[in-house]
Amino acid sequence: GQQVQQSPASLVLQEGENAELQCNFSTSLNSMQWFYQRPGGSLVSLFYNPSGTKHSGRLTSTTVIKERRSSLHISSSQTTDSGTYLCALEQGSNYQLIWGSGTKLIIKP
Amino acid sequence: GGIITQTPKFLIGQEGQKLTLKCQQNFNHDTMYWYRQDSGKGLRLIYYSITENDLQKGDLSEGYDASREKKSSFSLTVTSAQKNEMAVFLCASSRTGNYAEQFFGPGTRLTVL
Repeated sequence: GQQVQQSPASLVLQEGENAELQCNFSTSLNSMQWFYQRPGGSLVSLFYNPSGTKHSGRLTSTTVIKERRSSLHISSSQTTDSGTYLCALEQGSNYQLIWGSGTKLIIKP
Repeated sequence: GGIITQTPKFLIGQEGQKLTLKCQQNFNHDTMYWYRQDSGKGLRLIYYSITENDLQKGDLSEGYDASREKKSSFSLTVTSAQKNEMAVFLCASSRTGNYAEQFFGPGTRLTVL
């Protein structure tokens, strides 16, 4: 089965609502990296989070290794947050990231 | 900080043509990567290189060649472009070893006519 499962596949919210994105993993983890991608755009690294909680403005990433999950929380969402969010797991000394399938987030005005 | 540049931004080729994509980074990172992303799908690793003149195959290396000419640059060649092939090719770099965050370039969008 998939080693990294990302959910939900898509999420539609009204501006101002909070968004919660999840990645569950079934393999060992060095770190989880969260990316943001606009349609046709490049990948912007949001967080590199081996464990615990990290904050950046309205974004919060939490990785709990024992529970094999990592989450991305967006508070007070804005229309400019719309896009695709990807998680990618770094495993041991393997250079290949294991990618989630992405969450397509749409924030309506 | 640093930046990754990819050229060209858009690449249009003919079926069977050999096409080359270029990537440069000024992070002074040892490791560089080439990924392919098909529309609406995840990223697949084509090649990576952990040092100058090193090449390692990813899951999608068939149909591609790569070259790490120097530490700061990594080229990818599509050996024979396939008709209706349309994807974005993303270059990335990182430090070598564990706990190595990857940073990405803006991508090259390939269309094959």
